[in-house]
Amino acid sequence: DVKVTQSSRYLVKRTGEKVFLECVQDMDHENMFWYRQDPGLGLRLIYFSYDVKMKEKGDIPEGYSVSREKKERFSLILESASTNQTSMYLCASRGVRPHYEQYFGPGTRLTVT
Amino acid sequence: QQQVKQSPQSLIVQKGGISIINCAYENTAFDYFPWYQQFPGKGPALLIAIRPDVSEKKEGRFTISFNKSAKQFSLHIMDSQPGDSATYFCAASKEAGSYQLTFGKGTKLSVIP
Repeated sequence: DVKVTQSSRYLVKRTGEKVFLECVQDMDHENMFWYRQDPGLGLRLIYFSYDVKMKEKGDIPEGYSVSREKKERFSLILESASTNQTSMYLCASRGVRPHYEQYFGPGTRLTVT
Repeated sequence: QQQVKQSPQSLIVQKGGISIINCAYENTAFDYFPWYQQFPGKGPALLIAIRPDVSEKKEGRFTISFNKSAKQFSLHIMDSQPGDSATYFCAASKEAGSYQLTFGKGTKLSVIP
């Protein structure tokens, strides 16, 4: 079974703090993704990575950065957390063709106060 | 610009009834259409997917109907059960050279006894 784990299920941070969200997958997948999920807005792609040290901006990258130093680990960084970044953050991974399924982690609910 | 429009936002169905969720897309280059199911506190998980070379795909009680000319696809859940209560997301992507799934905004399904 594919397993995608996220470092925290719940996180509370203060405005202006630097926040790290960690994601690890155990299936040797090339592609990894970070989404945020907000009620009524669905899943929106923040960043994705198609290989180690490679990254691409998604639809809403502003205020975020990412790091992928090892194939199994993809980190999302909020350089200076703001209240509008309070959300559910979901990490996903995907192998190469023909398997296009994205496997999601359980999510991290981040609250910025 | 929202590329995948999903309706309804919420749906209440009696146990044993048929649940129908609809999606419409704009990008004619899309050629992979998955549905994801998400239970509270969990990440989304792939439920069923279709490619445009077929008009229907069935897996157990779940069926995707696909209308390429109308650029629409829908999820039908037959004999809906309380355990089907979840949020459902449609999505679309281009298989060749793309890593991104574009998601609809989700439908919260409640199946009442």
